[in-house]
Amino acid sequence: GAGVSQSPSNKVTEKGKDVELRCDPISGHTALYWYRQRLGQGLEFLIYFQGNSAPDKSGLPSDRFSAERTGESVSTLTIQRTQQEDSAVYLCASSLGVGRQPQHFGDGTRLSIL
Amino acid sequence: AQKITQTQPGMFVQEKEAVTLDCTYDTSDQSYGLFWYKQPSSGEMIFLIYQGSYDEQNATEGRYSLNFQKARKSANLVISASQLGDSAMYFCAMREALSGSARQLTFGSGTQLTVLP
Repeated sequence: GAGVSQSPSNKVTEKGKDVELRCDPISGHTALYWYRQRLGQGLEFLIYFQGNSAPDKSGLPSDRFSAERTGESVSTLTIQRTQQEDSAVYLCASSLGVGRQPQHFGDGTRLSIL
Repeated sequence: AQKITQTQPGMFVQEKEAVTLDCTYDTSDQSYGLFWYKQPSSGEMIFLIYQGSYDEQNATEGRYSLNFQKARKSANLVISASQLGDSAMYFCAMREALSGSARQLTFGSGTQLTVLP
């Protein structure tokens, strides 16, 4: 498809397990972002990738969170030793660049930690 | 201090009427951009409209327009001729050019709009 694709759409796991979330950006989009949205709240920035530059990790809430992206392709967000407070929707967005370019969002991964 | 403030947790509007969703922002940057997104109950984030801080005219996009008052640091979204399908959560967001990262959006807490038949 032409949009941002995220998988899985839903993930239920036990506390303490590791999870990996995947994002496939729009082809040609150099910028990729991960956000977290807790129930009934706005989006919190997690991490940003731009081409081959070092990622901006300033939004990651703890060292249990990490993300990778190879070039301008797929990104994976990994949460190790999940906690119940990690339950949220994780949204990925991509854009052609910065400035006026809007970010286009995927449908998100709804993560539930039991 | 909150960078983006949306003071209306919930709003109701009658179908076919216009509605204004409030957004105020806080930045010391001269160059910044303001975005509005719509999030229906299905969860996807849909880009609606953009206003740059140096844009001389208020942005318009179909039934959406942005009432940008730079001196008051407000960027209210106006939806004209409301439709039932407009019922959703609406988020105001800002990208600052100089402070902190120049890349991510900072979001407000959102306004839940309900259009009544």
